Amino acid sequence: EPEVTQTPSHQVTQMGQEVILRCVPISNHLYFYWYRQILGQKVEFLVSFYNNEISEKSEIFDDQFSVERPDGSNFTLKIRSTKLEDSAMYFCASIRAEGTGELFFGEGSRLTVL
Amino acid sequence: GESVGLHLPTLSVQEGDNSIINCAYSNSASDYFIWYKQESGKGPQFIIDIRSNMDKRQGQRVTVLLNKTVKHLSLQIAATQPGDSAVYFCAENRYNQGGKLIFGQGTELSVKP
Repeated sequence: EPEVTQTPSHQVTQMGQEVILRCVPISNHLYFYWYRQILGQKVEFLVSFYNNEISEKSEIFDDQFSVERPDGSNFTLKIRSTKLEDSAMYFCASIRAEGTGELFFGEGSRLTVL
Repeated sequence: GESVGLHLPTLSVQEGDNSIINCAYSNSASDYFIWYKQESGKGPQFIIDIRSNMDKRQGQRVTVLLNKTVKHLSLQIAATQPGDSAVYFCAENRYNQGGKLIFGQGTELSVKP
C-alpha cells in the first residue's frame, strides 16, 4: 500500500537553529500539506501546496516557515530559526485530488527545540 | 470563526460494546466532515467522511451521523475491539481553502477487555 514517508522521525535542535523536515508524498498525489500537533493537543493546519506554490497557509505559518518541492518526489518544511514553541509533531499529508477527503498522513517528525 | 470540537476528551468502553463519539461544529456553512483515528505515535488515519447532502453514512463497523440542524456529528463504532483504542478526531474539510482540514480536539477511546 502506498504511503507518505517522513524523515527524520525525531530531531532535537537548539533554539535559533534551522531545521528541515522532509516528506515523500504518495507518487500520483497532487496536493501536499503540513500539519502540526503539539503534545496532547489537536492537529493544526500549517500550509497546503499545489502546482509548486502555496495555496493556503495558517497564521502559524509565519516568515520563519517555508515549504519547497525541490524535485519530483520530496516536499520539505523549513523552519528558519526555531523557537521553543516550535516543539511538536509535524505531519506531512498528501491527496490525489482536492476535496476527495482521504488525506493520507505520514507517521510524523517529532521536533524538540531546546 | 473556525471551531470544531468534541464533547468528551476521554471515553472508556467494554470490549464488544458500541462506542459513540460526538463532535459539534459552529459554522452552519460547513458541509464536509471527516473522522480520523490516531494511534499512539502515528499519523491520523482516515476512517469515514460525510457530506452535508447526507445525514448518515456507514462503513465497516462504523457509522457517521450528521445533524445539520444542531450542527452535530457522531461516530459510532459497533462491537468495539481493543484495536479501536486510539484518539478520534472529527475534522471539517475546507475544500475551497486549499483543502485544509480543521480538526477538533480529539476523544481518546479506551477499550477494556
